[in-house]
This record gives sequence, structure tokens and C-alpha cells, in this order.
Amino acid sequence: GAVVSQHPSWVICKSGTSVKIECRSLDFQATTMFWYRQFPKQSLMLMATSNEGSKATYEQGVEKDKFLINHASLTLSTLTVTSAHPEDSSFYICSADPGQGNTEAFFGQGTRLTVV
Amino acid sequence: KQEVTQIPAALSVPEGENLVLNCSFTDSAIYNLQWFRQDPGKGLTSLLLIQSSQREQTSGRLNASLDKSSGRSTLYIAASQPGDSATYLCAVTDNTGKLIFGQGTTLQVKP
Repeated sequence: GAVVSQHPSWVICKSGTSVKIECRSLDFQATTMFWYRQFPKQSLMLMATSNEGSKATYEQGVEKDKFLINHASLTLSTLTVTSAHPEDSSFYICSADPGQGNTEAFFGQGTRLTVV
Repeated sequence: KQEVTQIPAALSVPEGENLVLNCSFTDSAIYNLQWFRQDPGKGLTSLLLIQSSQREQTSGRLNASLDKSSGRSTLYIAASQPGDSATYLCAVTDNTGKLIFGQGTTLQVKP
């Protein structure tokens, strides 16, 4: 299957700093990538849909100024958590869609963010 | 609004047992349904993808069924092994292309 690489796999940062997470599709082009957040023992919640060359679409309740998404190329989307606080500590996972609708979604390995 | 529910939330079985995980969804207008496996602290591994026009998919000891009209899917695991211990997530792709996840079933297979 297709490979999606997410980096870093874990990061610890101080409160108030910003953290950038990268999501790359290694062997296919993805016009659309998705960013999810997962709290301990909970399921994945969609944060935003990242569209190459245009602004991301954020889900209700997700602050777009706090979670900056950039999808500058067909193989790379980035999520920047700005002015991180301890409550932003979570597991962030991206997925990339090789096609439209009926295709399988491929996920990155996830990034464990801990804000201290 | 599409909602996905998985039952049970947790399951513990002895090695060798066959088991069934359940997934239900409220809106039958889906493109497909996927079952994923997630190990602790890891990303998701896709297990099976069922298109909306299909009834079931099989891969090795795994069999997933889909009844779109009733909004149900099951994941059948045959002859369970300790290595099957993980959280299993069900997700539907809605008509906007978004994946909506269930809460997951955490499976423990005891040796």
C-alpha cells in the first residue's frame, strides 16, 4: 500500500513555543490530507482537511490560528501548533488520500506532542 | 450528522477463540467503511476496506461484513492470537470524503 511518513514521531516542547509536524506522502501525490487528534483512550477526531494550494478547512471548534496548516505541495502538509500549552498535549495523526471518495486512506505513524 | 459506534469498548478472550467486533453508523450514505488496527502509541494500520457496493472483504483470518441499509459492520477474527491484541477502529467515509471514526474496541488475547 501507499506510504505516509509523519515527522517527528514524538516531541516535547515548552509552553508558549510552536511545534511543526510534517506529513509526507512518499510514493503518491495527495491533493488532500487530513489532520486528526487523539486523546488517550479516545478515538480520532478530525481537525482539518488540508488542500494543496488552498486554505485548509477546519472542523467546528478547531482554532485555525492555533493550528496552522500548510499544504504547499502534492506530497507535503504541515501542521504547526502555535503557542502550545499543556492542554495541546495529544497524539496527532495525518492521513493522505490518493484518490477521491472510494479509495483507502493511508495514515502516518502519528506524533506524540507533550507540552511542559 | 454521521455517528459511528463500536461495541464492545473492550474485550478479553483466550487465545484461539473466534470473535466478532461490531460497528454501527447512523447515516447509510457512505462511500466505504474501513477497519483499522492501532497499537498503543502508534499510528493506524488499515486492515480491510469495504466499498459501499460490497458486502464483505476477507484478509487472512479477518473477515469484515457491511450491511449499509441497517448501518452495521462486523469484523470477525478467527483463531485469535496474542499478537492480535490492539485497538480496532471502524471508520466510514462520508459523502464529503471525510473519515468518521468509532471509539474503538480494545482487544486483549490472553495466551
